[in-house]
Amino acid sequence: SAVISQKPSRDICQRGTSLTIQCQVDSQVTMMFWYRQQPGQSLTLIATANQGSEATYESGFVIDKFPISRPNLTFSTLTVSNMSPEDSSIYLCSVFFRGSLEQYFGPGTRLTVT
Amino acid sequence: LAKTTQPISMDSYEGQEVNITCSHNNIATNDYITWYQQFPSQGPRFIIQGYKTKVTNEVASLFIPADRKSSTLSLPRVSLSDTAVYYCLVGDIQAGTALIFGKGTTLSVSS
Repeated sequence: SAVISQKPSRDICQRGTSLTIQCQVDSQVTMMFWYRQQPGQSLTLIATANQGSEATYESGFVIDKFPISRPNLTFSTLTVSNMSPEDSSIYLCSVFFRGSLEQYFGPGTRLTVT
Repeated sequence: LAKTTQPISMDSYEGQEVNITCSHNNIATNDYITWYQQFPSQGPRFIIQGYKTKVTNEVASLFIPADRKSSTLSLPRVSLSDTAVYYCLVGDIQAGTALIFGKGTTLSVSS
């Protein structure tokens, strides 16, 4: 199993600013993913962040808007840049262990942009 | 990627068995079927996973017919605390690709 923590748990930000969300895992993982969940909606995959390589973004998400860092096997950050109210969502990180059949999710970061 | 279709919502009463069926007509040979549960303000939590036939654990059973084009999550004797959104996901788990979420089923359990 994995214990995943995210910081901050929630934040209220002004339009046009940026927020960096941290994801910490209690064990080393190769594959880490970032999702967004807008109010009342399902989860949408933003990008896959594997250590040692550039993040791979899904359609509709770009690096300039959502830069991701993955400096080691237990940590990643997602930055939401130049925020607008449409970025108000819950952002979740998730990890997958090779050999495991389960993908684990963090508690999420609730972002409100005013 | 295989797309999943499941009911938007279901209602039940405490103590009843709840069966949520998911359709995945385009499932690939290497795909597993995984169900997750999500409570408000929490990340999704793994419930059960299977490839074929029947899988049972301490909280649920998963029934998968031979053609694997659908699956049914069975929750025995639900309680109020089972009120949540349930997601059916299909993917090649062993390839390590991220799970793609559909719309999910909102289960409401009443007393």
